[in-house]
Amino acid sequence: GQQLNQSPQSMFIQEGEDVSMNCTSSSIFNTWLWYKQDPGEGPVLLIALYKAGELTSNGRLTAQFGITRKDSFLNISASIPSDVGIYFCAGQLQGSWGKLQFGAGTQVVVTP
Amino acid sequence: GAVVSQHPSWVICKSGTSVKIECRSLDFQATTMFWYRQFPKQSLMLMATSNEGSKATYEQGVEKDKFLINHASLTLSTLTVTSAHPEDSSFYICSATSGGAVQETQYFGPGTRLLVL
Repeated sequence: GQQLNQSPQSMFIQEGEDVSMNCTSSSIFNTWLWYKQDPGEGPVLLIALYKAGELTSNGRLTAQFGITRKDSFLNISASIPSDVGIYFCAGQLQGSWGKLQFGAGTQVVVTP
Repeated sequence: GAVVSQHPSWVICKSGTSVKIECRSLDFQATTMFWYRQFPKQSLMLMATSNEGSKATYEQGVEKDKFLINHASLTLSTLTVTSAHPEDSSFYICSATSGGAVQETQYFGPGTRLLVL
């Protein structure tokens, strides 16, 4: 079953605002991945994190692998309309190479 | 790089028929492919793990005789939904990794929407 708790479930923000979402778990993960999914499409990888404490940026996106290895956050700065979509965190449990667990997703709506 | 394709992108079929979905890695060799199912407004649920040249490993609750998986080459895995019924209607997504290291990122295909009438 799903072991990742992703929040918030949805966010309605104005263009230019920053967005923050996170995933937590009671289990230890050795990889955290953040994906964005547009309607009717497959998830697209945004950021991959492989080490506890790792902080990685990809343009306006920043994500961090929590030091306890049980959480991760994603920040989007200065949001633009094309940031609209569903963002999923995904984690690879320690000892279960390859298999990902997905969070429930955060729906982001950006208004002009 | 790391492009994964799926075919078809959508399919409508009658109840009782079988449907085959293809997943291809276009620019890398995928030793492992994964099949997910996603219902509307829900997250992705892993169905099975497919390793080239060996039998697929199914997640608990997924019927292996219902969802046949074949990973015959390093660039192709197929999912066949046998005797499809309306409750099998869903968005099926595959992903692939090259499997060269422990830390391997999964790249996803664009998904196949199945509607069973």
